[in-house]
Amino acid sequence: KQEVTQIPAALSVPEGENLVLNCSFTDSAIYNLQWFRQDPGKGLTSLLLIQSSQREQTSGRLNASLDKSSGRSTLYIAASQPGDSATYLCAPYGQNFVFGPGTRLSVLP
Amino acid sequence: DTGVSQNPRHKITKRGQNVTFRCDPISEHNRLYWYRQTLGQGPEFLTYFQNEAQLEKSRLLSDRFSAERPKGSFSTLEIQRTEQGDSAMYLCASSFGGPSVSEQYFGPGTRLTVT
Repeated sequence: KQEVTQIPAALSVPEGENLVLNCSFTDSAIYNLQWFRQDPGKGLTSLLLIQSSQREQTSGRLNASLDKSSGRSTLYIAASQPGDSATYLCAPYGQNFVFGPGTRLSVLP
Repeated sequence: DTGVSQNPRHKITKRGQNVTFRCDPISEHNRLYWYRQTLGQGPEFLTYFQNEAQLEKSRLLSDRFSAERPKGSFSTLEIQRTEQGDSAMYLCASSFGGPSVSEQYFGPGTRLTVT
């Protein structure tokens, strides 16, 4: 059964910092991995989808990497802004649809 | 393309009552998913459809829960004899799927409170 962990659970940084969010999963037999952000009380917004054959995917200030064999993905956020404050979740898609618990990010002005 | 929509957005019900939620996916998407999310946790998978066929159900989905997707368009999730433990955010997502899972797009969710 797939298990997903995200470290750190919470993070508070001053505006402008570059930061890295980590996602680990136990079953490396995945098709792809998706990163989301979730604002309080809202649904999930898709950020990036990395195919299992890819190593990286970029969208604006976001860069996600995937190392399937070691069961890890990282989300890199460059030049963080207060509007980036949200919970970030990862979801490795394989035989099961399992989401990580999320990293709660606060970017202070 | 108006995205995934869910109705109602909020539902307050008394324990023992039945409730039904609706999800309208992105029109060209053939896959539709239901998840449940409680505070501080990631979404938990409940079930998913490919077109009108329900392909997988989680063990979380007790006999009190049923989902349908008639004609492969919108979907409904019904909870019978609600319990306080059913209080959660119910999320719907859709994707255009082939053999592997493609990008999922989520709706805004329905928040259920059982009193």
